[in-house]
Amino acid sequence: ETGVTQTPRHLVMGMTNKKSLKCEQHLGHNAMYWYKQSAKKPLELMFVYNFKEQTENNSVPSRFSPECPNSSHLFLHLHTLQPEDSALYLCASSQADGGNQPQHFGDGTRLSIL
Amino acid sequence: SQKIEQNSEALNIQEGKTATLTCNYTNYSPAYLQWYRQDPGRGPVFLLLIRENEKEKRKERLKVTFDTTLKQSLFHITASQPADSATYLCALTGYSSASKIIFGSGTRLSIRP
Repeated sequence: ETGVTQTPRHLVMGMTNKKSLKCEQHLGHNAMYWYKQSAKKPLELMFVYNFKEQTENNSVPSRFSPECPNSSHLFLHLHTLQPEDSALYLCASSQADGGNQPQHFGDGTRLSIL
Repeated sequence: SQKIEQNSEALNIQEGKTATLTCNYTNYSPAYLQWYRQDPGRGPVFLLLIRENEKEKRKERLKVTFDTTLKQSLFHITASQPADSATYLCALTGYSSASKIIFGSGTRLSIRP
């Protein structure tokens, strides 16, 4: 139990579908993150939320839309994705958004785009 | 561009020996360097953080060194065990925010009995 729960664990969707990934943290943290992990590539930071406010969007295409209704929940809304978007999507949280803050990761959602 | 390089090949070590993993970086002046462990089908788990002005840090059987002149960190696991088999990731961050965090691709470590 990592304290960060992601659902669903696996998702298969067509390019025209709309779906959402969910992340919930039970650690009382104030910062939350979305990462993309593709095979044989480094983890790529997508979005950062600090006290529910988005503080970073690393040039992510608009077909990915994050939402952070409160400090414990984070969503990633997906629409009209491309095959190259197939990857493991990881959510993480930390006490605060700082360089010295260890990140606590969930086990990810494995996304496959048909 | 900013880049991290970790041992690209998998590392195979005999149980009981010391495993040493390398993290080299370019075009980055990090304030902190972190090491994570990732098992198949799981998210990364934080292990250690070392500051730019620290040369070495230890935690149980783990030791991390950080040389900002060489732009390199070494990660050591002493008395290695098969349960230490996993992929190990290094990450660099700046002072104020994790927004500039960059990760290496990881090194897969296998400890054989």
